[in-house]
Amino acid sequence: KNEVEQSPQNLTAQEGEFITINCSYSVGISALHWLQQHPGGGIVSLFMLSSGKKKHGRLIATINIQEKHSSLHITASHPRDSAVYICAVSIDNAGNMLTFGEGTRLMVKP
Amino acid sequence: DVKVTQSSRYLVKRTGEKVFLECVQDMDHENMFWYRQDPGLGLRLIYFSYDVKMKEKGDIPEGYSVSREKKERFSLILESASTNQTSMYLCASSSEGTFKAFFGQGTRLTVV
Repeated sequence: KNEVEQSPQNLTAQEGEFITINCSYSVGISALHWLQQHPGGGIVSLFMLSSGKKKHGRLIATINIQEKHSSLHITASHPRDSAVYICAVSIDNAGNMLTFGEGTRLMVKP
Repeated sequence: DVKVTQSSRYLVKRTGEKVFLECVQDMDHENMFWYRQDPGLGLRLIYFSYDVKMKEKGDIPEGYSVSREKKERFSLILESASTNQTSMYLCASSSEGTFKAFFGQGTRLTVV
């Protein structure tokens, strides 16, 4: 069993839909990261959080430390949101070492 | 703007060739990482470095070596490329204790 599990693996949505991607982890963490990878490969950090909730534009990330669970929400989804979303956790106190989920491939259709 | 730059986006090499993948960061970060990404397996750590000339093995170091002669540059070396090293390779860097990593654009390596 992976230390970081994401669901769903693949997700297709219609433009405008509200999207939720889930991440569960089984180890103690110092922080959790949500990353976005567009076709072509480059990865961009969306959020880093250790408690509560963060919002950036149409993206919201939440984390429940007790339940070892995080969600990434996209409101009013758009085709340009189509990407792979990766959950990663920092497992060391310095935050240097990341353990990654396998990613969720999202396609938003117009 | 913060930048991690990998020397090639796409690379095709022959089995047995020595392959160099270069990564440069302009943020004066102490830590640099090399990952490979394969379908169904996610990103896996090959090697990392937390200082010049320092290196540590990650989860899958076999068949790879690294070099960090200058703080801004971290090189991944495939001594004798094999077809099972066909993959997407991603470099990342981070500043000590900040928890946030910055990634390069990736190098898609095909070994034929």
